Amino acid sequence: AQTVTQSQPEMSVQEAETVTLSCTYDTSESDYYLFWYKQPPSRQMILVIRQEAYKQQNATENRFSVNFQKAAKSFSLKISDSQLGDAAMYFCAYISGGSNYKLTFGKGTLLTVNP
Amino acid sequence: EAQVTQNPRYLITVTGKKLTVTCSQNMNHEYMSWYRQDPGLGLRQIYYSMNVEVTDKGDVPEGYKVSRKEKRNFPLILESPSPNQTSLYFCASSSHLAGGPGEQFFGPGTRLTVL
Repeated sequence: AQTVTQSQPEMSVQEAETVTLSCTYDTSESDYYLFWYKQPPSRQMILVIRQEAYKQQNATENRFSVNFQKAAKSFSLKISDSQLGDAAMYFCAYISGGSNYKLTFGKGTLLTVNP
Repeated sequence: EAQVTQNPRYLITVTGKKLTVTCSQNMNHEYMSWYRQDPGLGLRQIYYSMNVEVTDKGDVPEGYKVSRKEKRNFPLILESPSPNQTSLYFCASSSHLAGGPGEQFFGPGTRLTVL
């Protein structure tokens, strides 16, 4: 079974600084997708970024980028120029490329942004 | 507006009183799923459905039932709720894309308390 591990239960960053959230996963599959979701205090789950395992290029969405190391099974999220609105719980998630679209989540990292 | 809706958003009930949490999506998505979120555990999948009349168990299906009679609706049924089912519940839907799983859209969540 696939597992997703987020080793940092909590992180903090100063406004305008850069922070990196860690995520590792375990799988024997070659076809899969990785995601970072943001959950602000409103509890809404918001997709931040998506990475296809077959793509070597790291995904980027504005201030958010990933460092995808397939051999190491690592998928970290970098937030540049952190803003107060980035404060949230961040979840790393894995989904198989097979017929079962099950999302397996890590336990989350709570990010605090200090003004 | 493309969205996933859940009702009710908040519910307090007593042990053993049957309840249903509704979920509806307006994006014509094939795939729908239910997750529960508990502190320190992240999100765990309860049940999922790949299409109408096709459902299967996720990681924590005990005590829950689902049905998929229509493409847009995927209700979660608790026949005899117990206090350990007190949780935050999310419904999600996704389409199948040529390149793999599409983005999973999440509902706003249902906060359930079982006394």
